[in-house]
Amino acid sequence: DQQVKQNSPSLSVQEGRISILNCDYTNSMFDYFLWYKKYPAEGPTFLISISSIKDKNEDGRFTVFLNKSAKHLSLHIVPSQPGDSAVYFCAALFGNEKLTFGTGTRLTIIP
Amino acid sequence: DAGVIQSPRHEVTEMGQEVTLRCKPISGHNSLFWYRQTMMRGLELLIYFNNNVPIDDSGMPEDRFSAKMPNASFSTLKIQPSEPRDSAVYFCASRNGGFYGYTFGSGTRLTVV
Repeated sequence: DQQVKQNSPSLSVQEGRISILNCDYTNSMFDYFLWYKKYPAEGPTFLISISSIKDKNEDGRFTVFLNKSAKHLSLHIVPSQPGDSAVYFCAALFGNEKLTFGTGTRLTIIP
Repeated sequence: DAGVIQSPRHEVTEMGQEVTLRCKPISGHNSLFWYRQTMMRGLELLIYFNNNVPIDDSGMPEDRFSAKMPNASFSTLKIQPSEPRDSAVYFCASRNGGFYGYTFGSGTRLTVV
């Protein structure tokens, strides 16, 4: 049972444009939501997070939006840069225990 | 700080053989997690330890999988006997309280032929 879902396995975006990655979840008890970025042959690295009591968190070019009623969150990257090409994982946390990850979205930025 | 160290980076083995993956967490981190990455399921948690004690092993797929953490600086994930469907990238992560503290290793790519 996949509690965190990323329905788009891949996404291609022109350099300079906005990249929008989506994530849906089923467990309304999740406290925090996080995005991780993964380059080939490396482990995932933390990118940005949002608490369940907020609806937006911004860090430079990266913004995460949370819609609790829809159990949906999204990551916006603007402007997109070639170095943003990677696999992005959405993750959720309940009770400061284990992270539950989605299946990932491969983002390709086209120069 | 050398980060989370996993070995080997790549492992190719024949079906039926025993495979042991190793992880050295960051010194001072008190939680350790083993994840498996596949195309179909993404990153799935296999087992995690707090202070060397296994807390949740519900993600371990079968009895063929076992994990140990004999001390704070070392953990192993063993598959015996291995099967082709075990082929995946296995990640170890450690943290020291709080969700920001997760640090992943570079992973072990396992291929069972």
